[in-house]
Amino acid sequence: EPEVTQTPSHQVTQMGQEVILRCVPISNHLYFYWYRQILGQKVEFLVSFYNNEISEKSEIFDDQFSVERPDGSNFTLKIRSTKLEDSAMYFCASRGLRGPRYGYTFGSGTRLTVV
Amino acid sequence: AQTVTQSQPEMSVQEAETVTLSCTYDTSESDYYLFWYKQPPSRQMILVIRQEAYKQQNATENRFSVNFQKAAKSFSLKISDSQLGDAAMYFCAYVIQGAQKLVFGQGTRLTINP
Repeated sequence: EPEVTQTPSHQVTQMGQEVILRCVPISNHLYFYWYRQILGQKVEFLVSFYNNEISEKSEIFDDQFSVERPDGSNFTLKIRSTKLEDSAMYFCASRGLRGPRYGYTFGSGTRLTVV
Repeated sequence: AQTVTQSQPEMSVQEAETVTLSCTYDTSESDYYLFWYKQPPSRQMILVIRQEAYKQQNATENRFSVNFQKAAKSFSLKISDSQLGDAAMYFCAYVIQGAQKLVFGQGTRLTINP
C-alpha cells in the first residue's frame, strides 16, 4: 500500500535554529498537509497546500513557518527560528483528487525537540 | 466553531470483549466526512474507518463499526473481539465537504487487558 514518508523521524535542534521537515507524499496525490501534535494533546491543523500554493492555514502557521514543494516529490515544512513551544510531533498527510471521503494518508511523523 | 469532543480520555477492555468509544462533533454543515484514526505507540496515524454524512448506513470494517447518529451529531466506534494490537490512542475527526482541514478530537487511550 502506498505510504507517506517523513524524514527525519526525530530531530533535536537548538532554540533559534532553522529546521526543515521533509515529506514524500503518495505519488498521485495532489493535496498536502502538515499537522502538529504537542505531546499529550490533540492533533492540530497547520496548513494545506494544493497546486503549488497554500490553500488554507491555521493561526498557528505564522511567519515563522513556510511550506514548499521544491520538486515533483518532496513537500517540506520550514520553521525559521525554532522556539521551545515548537517541540511536537509533526505529521505530513496527503490525499488524492477523489475527495476527502477516502480519507487522508498520514506519514509516521517527525518528532521535533527544541532545546 | 468546529469542534470534536471525545468524552472518554481513557478506556480499557478485556481481550475478546467489545468496547465502544464515543465522539460528538459540532458543525452547521450538512455534507461532511467522519473518520476514526488509530495512533499506536509508534505515533503513526492509521485510518480505521470512515463515514459519509449523507449515508444513513453505518460503516463497518471487519471488527470495527460505527454508530452514526447525524441528528445527534454523534459518531461512536465499536471494536468487537478486541485484540492486544488494538491498544492505541483513537482519534475521531471530521472534514467538511469543500474544506481542507481535518478537525480532531482530543483522543481516547484504549488499553486491552489480556
